[in-house]
Amino acid sequence: KAGVTQTPRYLIKTRGQQVTLSCSPISGHRSVSWYQQTPGQGLQFLFEYFSETQRNKGNFPGRFSGRQFSNSRSEMNVSTLELGDSALYLCASSYQGGRDSPLHFGNGTRLTVT
Amino acid sequence: GIQVEQSPPDLILQEGANSTLRCNFSDSVNNLQWFHQNPWGQLINLFYIPSGTKQNGRLSATTVATERYSLLYISSSQTTDSGVYFCAATTSYGNKLVFGAGTILRVKS
Repeated sequence: KAGVTQTPRYLIKTRGQQVTLSCSPISGHRSVSWYQQTPGQGLQFLFEYFSETQRNKGNFPGRFSGRQFSNSRSEMNVSTLELGDSALYLCASSYQGGRDSPLHFGNGTRLTVT
Repeated sequence: GIQVEQSPPDLILQEGANSTLRCNFSDSVNNLQWFHQNPWGQLINLFYIPSGTKQNGRLSATTVATERYSLLYISSSQTTDSGVYFCAATTSYGNKLVFGAGTILRVKS
């Protein structure tokens, strides 16, 4: 069974630009969660999608948004990038959601904002 | 929301040694997971263990939900065990998995 696939692996963007990250979950998993990891703040929950609906949301500004498609693939978008958005963005899939079943993470997208 | 604390923050071991990592949580949990993040950033799910004990090779984990803690045991450590170990938890009324700050493990040969 293929694991969670995230693309791209690395991104370099300039302040003010926007970026879209992609995540393909493990086959059969309906939940996709997104996390931001930085040295200072650790792993912070962004949002979770389940069957195309946003089920949970973390404490991030509205510049961070996401969506999930009918095939469970998910995208995350960050608009008007700031230097502080530089981070490793991790996507995780699970059968029922992180609250009720094991999370499996992708390799992440490392975003650098200059 | 739930608070998750891990100890120790850093641990250096000689290859072959055993270790115990601890995770304390502030509320009753219905979900407790342990992860290993390798030096390349990949997060691997080690255990899904809201209660009881599980073993997987040299690793085992125990969660005592009534006392609000979980332990991860690593026996006969190897250099490939190096990395950061995270625990994450949520409550029955919570809506997201909250991660601890992690334990950085370095295994020296």
